[in-house]
Amino acid sequence: EIVMTQSPATLSVSPGERATLSCRASQSVNDNLAWYQQKPGQAPRLLIYGAATRATGIPARFSGSGSGTEFTLTIRSLQSEDFALYYCQQYNNWPPYMYSFGQGTKLEI
Amino acid sequence: EVQLVESGGGLVQPGGSLRLSCAASGFTFSSYEMDWVRQVPGKGLEWLSYISRSGYTIYYADSVKGRFTISRDNAKNSLYLQMNNLRVEDTAVYYCARDLGTYYPFDYWGQGTLVSVSS
Repeated sequence: EIVMTQSPATLSVSPGERATLSCRASQSVNDNLAWYQQKPGQAPRLLIYGAATRATGIPARFSGSGSGTEFTLTIRSLQSEDFALYYCQQYNNWPPYMYSFGQGTKLEI
Repeated sequence: EVQLVESGGGLVQPGGSLRLSCAASGFTFSSYEMDWVRQVPGKGLEWLSYISRSGYTIYYADSVKGRFTISRDNAKNSLYLQMNNLRVEDTAVYYCARDLGTYYPFDYWGQGTLVSVSS
């Protein structure tokens, strides 16, 4: 099983600043890494897939980078609506029971 | 607009059963693989089950294998999760998600339905 570890657990940043969230895989997942945003009471929303490709409708202030075992989600010029939970997910191994999620990073003001 | 709407959650006693439904609209349901994912309140995400476009290929997480059954009705644009022998630890919000396939993530998720297992 590939274990995904996100850090930090909680990140405190001011509006307008930049946030950097990390995700580490216990073994290489190539670039098969997604980032999701989840707000209270809402479903996860796909932000980034393929480690660096923004999903449809995602603002350019969200960017992803990394490959192999180390990944980063960067959010530039934080807006009030960006404060939420963020999860990474690896989907490198098939079948889907091999997929795994990180435990999440809470981005707070 | 892609929409996934879950229903069927509720309060059930340990050992009981529930059937969750996920109604899909805004896309050609039969062209997509689908999954169920759950989230214990305040905790992370756990993948539960996958079904292929035809319904012939199915996978389960070990935690629910033998107790949960995934199915779909492409004519009704609907995905289902039959949950039997429920345990307290199955208490969670259950999401259906559209699966883009091998080497792709889940691109749309429903809003979730809460299942509470308690005596």
